[in-house]
Amino acid sequence: SQQGEEDPQALSIQEGENATMNCSYKTSINNLQWYRQNSGRGLVHLILIRSNEREKHSGRLRVTLDTSKKSSSLLITASRAADTASYFCATETQGGSEKLVFGKGTKLTVNP
Amino acid sequence: GAVVSQHPSRVICKSGTSVKIECRSLDFQATTMFWYRQFPKQSLMLMATSNEGSKATYEQGVEKDKFLINHASLTLSTLTVTSAHPEDSSFYICSARDPGRTKNIQYFGAGTRLSVL
Repeated sequence: SQQGEEDPQALSIQEGENATMNCSYKTSINNLQWYRQNSGRGLVHLILIRSNEREKHSGRLRVTLDTSKKSSSLLITASRAADTASYFCATETQGGSEKLVFGKGTKLTVNP
Repeated sequence: GAVVSQHPSRVICKSGTSVKIECRSLDFQATTMFWYRQFPKQSLMLMATSNEGSKATYEQGVEKDKFLINHASLTLSTLTVTSAHPEDSSFYICSARDPGRTKNIQYFGAGTRLSVL
Protein backbone atom coordinates (compact mmCIF):
# COMPACT_ATOMS: atom_id res chain seq x y z
CA SER A 1 0.00 0.00 0.00
CA GLN A 2 1.16 3.53 -0.64
CA GLN A 3 1.97 5.26 2.58
CA GLY A 4 3.50 8.46 1.41
CA GLU A 5 1.52 11.24 -0.13
CA GLU A 6 3.51 13.93 -1.82
CA ASP A 7 2.30 17.34 -2.68
CA PRO A 8 2.18 18.99 -4.97
CA GLN A 9 1.70 16.31 -7.60
CA ALA A 10 3.34 18.60 -10.12
CA LEU A 11 5.48 21.69 -9.78
CA SER A 12 6.78 23.99 -12.49
CA ILE A 13 9.34 26.67 -11.68
CA GLN A 14 11.99 28.78 -13.34
CA GLU A 15 15.68 28.08 -13.13
CA GLY A 16 17.20 29.65 -10.05
CA GLU A 17 14.06 29.38 -7.98
CA ASN A 18 13.67 27.07 -5.02
CA ALA A 19 11.45 24.01 -5.17
CA THR A 20 9.71 22.58 -2.12
CA MET A 21 8.01 19.21 -2.08
CA ASN A 22 6.14 17.73 0.85
CA CYS A 23 5.49 14.18 1.94
CA SER A 24 3.14 12.79 4.55
CA TYR A 25 3.04 9.27 5.89
CA LYS A 26 0.90 7.26 8.23
CA THR A 27 2.88 4.86 10.40
CA SER A 28 5.91 5.06 12.67
CA ILE A 29 9.14 4.98 10.72
CA ASN A 30 12.81 4.15 11.10
CA ASN A 31 13.81 6.56 8.39
CA LEU A 32 12.51 8.51 5.43
CA GLN A 33 14.30 8.74 2.13
CA TRP A 34 13.97 10.85 -0.98
CA TYR A 35 14.63 9.46 -4.43
CA ARG A 36 14.70 11.02 -7.84
CA GLN A 37 13.53 9.42 -11.07
CA ASN A 38 14.22 10.73 -14.53
CA SER A 39 11.53 9.85 -17.04
CA GLY A 40 11.55 6.16 -17.90
CA ARG A 41 14.53 5.39 -15.72
CA GLY A 42 15.33 3.85 -12.37
CA LEU A 43 15.48 5.75 -9.12
CA VAL A 44 18.48 7.44 -7.59
CA HIS A 45 18.82 7.89 -3.87
CA LEU A 46 19.15 11.50 -2.78
CA ILE A 47 19.09 11.68 0.97
CA LEU A 48 18.07 9.71 4.06
CA ILE A 49 16.85 11.19 7.32
CA ARG A 50 16.43 9.05 10.40
CA SER A 51 13.48 9.28 12.72
CA ASN A 52 15.55 10.98 15.42
CA GLU A 53 16.79 13.69 13.05
CA ARG A 54 14.91 16.86 12.23
CA GLU A 55 16.91 18.33 9.38
CA LYS A 56 19.57 17.24 6.96
CA HIS A 57 21.49 18.91 4.17
CA SER A 58 23.26 17.60 1.11
CA GLY A 59 24.52 20.13 -1.39
CA ARG A 60 21.49 22.03 -2.67
CA LEU A 61 19.11 19.67 -0.91
CA ARG A 62 17.55 20.27 2.46
CA VAL A 63 15.25 17.74 4.06
CA THR A 64 13.18 18.21 7.17
CA LEU A 65 11.31 15.62 9.16
CA ASP A 66 8.50 16.20 11.64
CA THR A 67 7.59 12.88 13.21
CA SER A 68 4.81 14.43 15.28
CA LYS A 69 3.06 15.49 12.09
CA LYS A 70 4.33 12.50 10.14
CA SER A 71 5.59 14.73 7.40
CA SER A 72 8.76 15.62 5.55
CA SER A 73 9.80 18.25 3.07
CA LEU A 74 12.46 18.35 0.39
CA LEU A 75 13.83 21.72 -0.62
CA ILE A 76 15.96 22.11 -3.71
CA THR A 77 17.64 25.48 -3.78
CA ALA A 78 18.78 27.39 -6.86
CA SER A 79 17.13 24.88 -9.16
CA ARG A 80 18.56 23.96 -12.54
CA ALA A 81 16.95 22.58 -15.67
CA ALA A 82 18.77 19.32 -14.92
CA ASP A 83 16.74 18.99 -11.73
CA THR A 84 13.68 18.24 -13.85
CA ALA A 85 12.51 14.80 -12.68
CA SER A 86 10.00 13.07 -10.44
CA TYR A 87 10.80 13.02 -6.74
CA PHE A 88 9.54 10.32 -4.40
CA CYS A 89 9.64 9.99 -0.68
CA ALA A 90 9.95 6.50 0.76
CA THR A 91 9.55 5.33 4.29
CA GLU A 92 11.04 2.39 6.09
CA THR A 93 8.59 1.43 8.78
CA GLN A 94 9.52 0.33 12.26
CA GLY A 95 9.58 -3.40 12.86
CA GLY A 96 12.71 -4.54 11.11
CA SER A 97 11.37 -4.91 7.60
CA GLU A 98 13.76 -3.82 4.86
CA LYS A 99 10.90 -2.72 2.66
CA LEU A 100 10.42 0.82 1.49
CA VAL A 101 6.97 2.24 0.89
CA PHE A 102 6.96 4.91 -1.78
CA GLY A 103 4.75 7.93 -2.08
CA LYS A 104 3.06 9.02 -5.27
CA GLY A 105 5.75 11.49 -6.22
CA THR A 106 6.06 15.07 -7.32
CA LYS A 107 6.87 15.82 -10.91
CA LEU A 108 9.19 18.81 -10.98
CA THR A 109 9.78 20.81 -14.13
CA VAL A 110 12.49 23.47 -14.07
CA ASN A 111 12.22 25.79 -17.02
CA PRO A 112 15.41 27.35 -18.39
CA GLY B 1 27.58 4.46 -5.61
CA ALA B 2 26.66 0.82 -5.93
CA VAL B 3 25.65 -0.29 -9.40
CA VAL B 4 22.63 -2.39 -10.26
CA SER B 5 22.18 -3.53 -13.82
CA GLN B 6 18.81 -4.54 -15.20
CA HIS B 7 18.27 -6.27 -18.51
CA PRO B 8 16.55 -5.96 -20.90
CA SER B 9 15.59 -2.31 -20.85
CA ARG B 10 12.70 -2.86 -23.21
CA VAL B 11 10.83 -5.94 -24.31
CA ILE B 12 7.85 -6.42 -26.58
CA CYS B 13 6.22 -9.80 -26.62
CA LYS B 14 3.11 -11.57 -27.76
CA SER B 15 0.34 -12.44 -25.38
CA GLY B 16 0.89 -15.85 -23.79
CA THR B 17 4.67 -15.81 -23.86
CA SER B 18 6.94 -15.64 -20.84
CA VAL B 19 9.46 -12.90 -20.28
CA LYS B 20 12.51 -13.01 -18.03
CA ILE B 21 14.05 -9.88 -16.54
CA GLU B 22 17.46 -9.95 -14.92
CA CYS B 23 18.74 -7.80 -12.09
CA ARG B 24 22.43 -7.88 -11.24
CA SER B 25 24.44 -6.17 -8.56
CA LEU B 26 27.72 -5.39 -10.30
CA ASP B 27 30.05 -4.34 -7.53
CA PHE B 28 28.52 -5.79 -4.41
CA GLN B 29 26.76 -8.85 -3.12
CA ALA B 30 23.07 -8.49 -2.42
CA THR B 31 21.34 -11.00 -0.21
CA THR B 32 18.11 -9.12 -0.75
CA MET B 33 16.72 -7.60 -3.90
CA PHE B 34 13.36 -6.00 -4.51
CA TRP B 35 11.05 -6.02 -7.49
CA TYR B 36 8.69 -3.14 -8.18
CA ARG B 37 6.08 -2.36 -10.75
CA GLN B 38 5.28 1.15 -11.88
CA PHE B 39 2.31 2.25 -13.93
CA PRO B 40 2.49 5.47 -15.99
CA LYS B 41 2.63 8.58 -13.85
CA GLN B 42 2.26 6.53 -10.71
CA SER B 43 4.43 5.44 -7.85
CA LEU B 44 6.37 2.24 -7.37
CA MET B 45 4.46 -0.73 -6.05
CA LEU B 46 6.54 -3.37 -4.32
CA MET B 47 5.82 -6.77 -5.81
CA ALA B 48 8.18 -8.99 -3.89
CA THR B 49 11.35 -9.23 -1.89
CA SER B 50 13.87 -11.60 -3.38
CA ASN B 51 16.05 -13.49 -0.92
CA GLU B 52 19.20 -15.29 -2.01
CA GLY B 53 18.90 -19.02 -1.52
CA SER B 54 15.30 -18.97 -0.37
CA LYS B 55 11.81 -18.28 -1.61
CA ALA B 56 10.77 -14.77 -2.44
CA THR B 57 8.32 -12.96 -0.22
CA TYR B 58 5.40 -11.65 -2.25
CA GLU B 59 3.25 -8.68 -1.38
CA GLN B 60 -0.44 -9.12 -0.92
CA GLY B 61 -2.27 -9.38 -4.20
CA VAL B 62 0.77 -10.36 -6.26
CA GLU B 63 0.45 -13.79 -7.87
CA LYS B 64 3.57 -15.79 -7.16
CA ASP B 65 2.84 -18.24 -9.97
CA LYS B 66 2.48 -15.37 -12.38
CA PHE B 67 5.61 -13.53 -11.36
CA LEU B 68 8.33 -16.09 -10.70
CA ILE B 69 11.34 -14.83 -8.82
CA ASN B 70 14.63 -16.64 -8.57
CA HIS B 71 17.58 -15.34 -6.56
CA ALA B 72 20.13 -18.05 -7.21
CA SER B 73 23.28 -16.11 -6.45
CA LEU B 74 24.37 -13.12 -4.43
CA THR B 75 24.53 -10.95 -7.54
CA LEU B 76 21.58 -12.06 -9.62
CA SER B 77 17.82 -12.09 -9.23
CA THR B 78 15.41 -12.80 -12.05
CA LEU B 79 11.75 -12.01 -12.50
CA THR B 80 9.81 -14.11 -15.00
CA VAL B 81 6.42 -12.89 -16.10
CA THR B 82 4.69 -16.10 -17.13
CA SER B 83 2.03 -16.22 -19.81
CA ALA B 84 2.11 -12.48 -20.16
CA HIS B 85 -1.04 -10.61 -21.10
CA PRO B 86 -1.61 -7.00 -22.11
CA GLU B 87 -2.54 -6.06 -18.54
CA ASP B 88 0.97 -7.09 -17.49
CA SER B 89 2.39 -4.29 -19.61
CA SER B 90 4.21 -2.01 -17.22
CA PHE B 91 7.57 -0.70 -16.09
CA TYR B 92 9.37 -3.18 -13.85
CA ILE B 93 12.22 -2.00 -11.65
CA CYS B 94 14.55 -3.92 -9.38
CA SER B 95 16.65 -2.68 -6.52
CA ALA B 96 19.18 -4.05 -4.08
CA ARG B 97 20.77 -3.11 -0.81
CA ASP B 98 24.53 -3.06 -0.44
CA PRO B 99 25.37 -4.40 3.01
CA GLY B 100 28.77 -2.76 2.76
CA ARG B 101 27.23 0.70 2.57
CA THR B 102 24.39 2.46 4.36
CA LYS B 103 22.13 -0.51 4.67
CA ASN B 104 18.85 1.30 4.42
CA ILE B 105 19.48 2.71 0.94
CA GLN B 106 18.26 0.88 -2.13
CA TYR B 107 20.14 1.01 -5.42
CA PHE B 108 17.94 0.72 -8.46
CA GLY B 109 18.29 -0.75 -11.89
CA ALA B 110 17.27 1.34 -14.89
CA GLY B 111 14.01 -0.53 -15.29
CA THR B 112 12.43 -2.75 -17.95
CA ARG B 113 9.51 -1.57 -20.00
CA LEU B 114 7.35 -4.55 -20.88
CA SER B 115 4.80 -4.25 -23.66
CA VAL B 116 2.55 -7.25 -24.25
CA LEU B 117 0.72 -7.23 -27.56
